[in-house]
Amino acid sequence: ESVLTQSPGTLSLSPGERATLSCRASQSISSIFLAWYQQKPGQAPRLLIYGASNRATGIPDRFSGSGSGTDFTLTISRLEPEDFAVYYCQQYGSSLWTFGQGTKVESK
Amino acid sequence: QVQLQESGPGLVKPSQTLSLTCTVSGASISSGGYYCSWIRQHPGKGLEWIGYIYYSGTTYYNPSLKSRATISLDTSKNHFSLKLTSVTAADTAMYFCATMLATNRWYFDLWGRGTLVTVSS
Repeated sequence: ESVLTQSPGTLSLSPGERATLSCRASQSISSIFLAWYQQKPGQAPRLLIYGASNRATGIPDRFSGSGSGTDFTLTISRLEPEDFAVYYCQQYGSSLWTFGQGTKVESK
Repeated sequence: QVQLQESGPGLVKPSQTLSLTCTVSGASISSGGYYCSWIRQHPGKGLEWIGYIYYSGTTYYNPSLKSRATISLDTSKNHFSLKLTSVTAADTAMYFCATMLATNRWYFDLWGRGTLVTVSS
């Protein structure tokens, strides 16, 4: 079973700065099986990116995803106040859907 | 606009069965367009996929739950349900229902708001 490891655990940035979040899989996965979610306190996760690089409906273009194999990245080009949240990557593999432990993006 | 809404008891006693329902509005779960899943999040922790059901009745579960989970479908009410038997404090979590598009069942495109279940005597 492939395990997803996200880094860093917490990212402290200011509005307007660029955020780069990493998600590493313990085994190589197809890009179509990698997604990213945003979760704000008290809310359900929201799909941001699917297939490693495709923005979900309604997601602003400051969010972008990239990567392949075992290394994937979520980039927020310029942080808006509403972007401070926890971000999870998720994979499908071996008939299981599993998530990374999350990266918290907090306001510096 | 498709929406999901979880419902069920917020408090369950240890060794009893947790029962939750997810009501779907704006789409028919019998259309074959969606895989209906349950996902949980322990307090302050990450996310754990529990299982899914398809309109055909096909189910698949996370082996980590050791056969305690059962997901069922009621197409007449357009809802699907989760039963988790023999619960312990470790099953205390926020439970979310979510859907995957049948054409892209690799990710969860829509989520309910979640319902908190506490296991305690």
